[in-house]
Amino acid sequence: GENVEQHPSTLSVQEGDSAVIKCTYSDSASNYFPWYKQELGKRPQLIIDIRSNVGEKKDQRIAVTLNKTAKHFSLHITETQPEDSAVYFCAASPTGTASKLTFGTGTRLQVTL
Amino acid sequence: DSGVTQTPKHLITATGQRVTLRCSPRSGDLSVYWYQQSLDQGLQFLIQYYNGEERAKGNILERFSAQQFPDLHSELNLSSLELGDSALYFCASSAYGSSYNSPLHFGNGTRLTVT
Repeated sequence: GENVEQHPSTLSVQEGDSAVIKCTYSDSASNYFPWYKQELGKRPQLIIDIRSNVGEKKDQRIAVTLNKTAKHFSLHITETQPEDSAVYFCAASPTGTASKLTFGTGTRLQVTL
Repeated sequence: DSGVTQTPKHLITATGQRVTLRCSPRSGDLSVYWYQQSLDQGLQFLIQYYNGEERAKGNILERFSAQQFPDLHSELNLSSLELGDSALYFCASSAYGSSYNSPLHFGNGTRLTVT
């Protein structure tokens, strides 16, 4: 089955700096890659997703890039703010949908003042 | 609020016991998913139902079972509980079982503690 590795496990940045979280996947059939943000004690929430027919997608301060050849995708957060502090999960699915999602182990992002 | 309702919020029980977790999906969503999140772990996919039928199965133990009822709510049954089953169990729903542009919406989870 699919295996998703996520790095780093923890990341500390200063407010205003950029943060990058990287994920690799093993199943070349995977074609849907969402990112979820989970604040402490809360539920995961979708922040952005990308499909395999697109190399990059942006939404305000958040962007995701996908390299199908290398089987890796990354989350980029620019101009970080304290409210960006949370655990971020990447995921991959071979169905093009939320079905059969395999999640990474998460990255704990801490934005310091 | 995601619109996905999970009950109970917390559950404390002893080893060997059986518990039932309940989930009501967002209005109009036909698919329900169950995930397990252990301490400092990622989200492990357990099982998915679509309109009452099992659609996909992940790393769900044989001691665990689930079903989706005609009104689309779902229940996850955990039996012969072990200490290692202590975790946060999330239910999520999406509009369709295999449709684009239908992301997961998570409930607030049920925290299970097995003592």
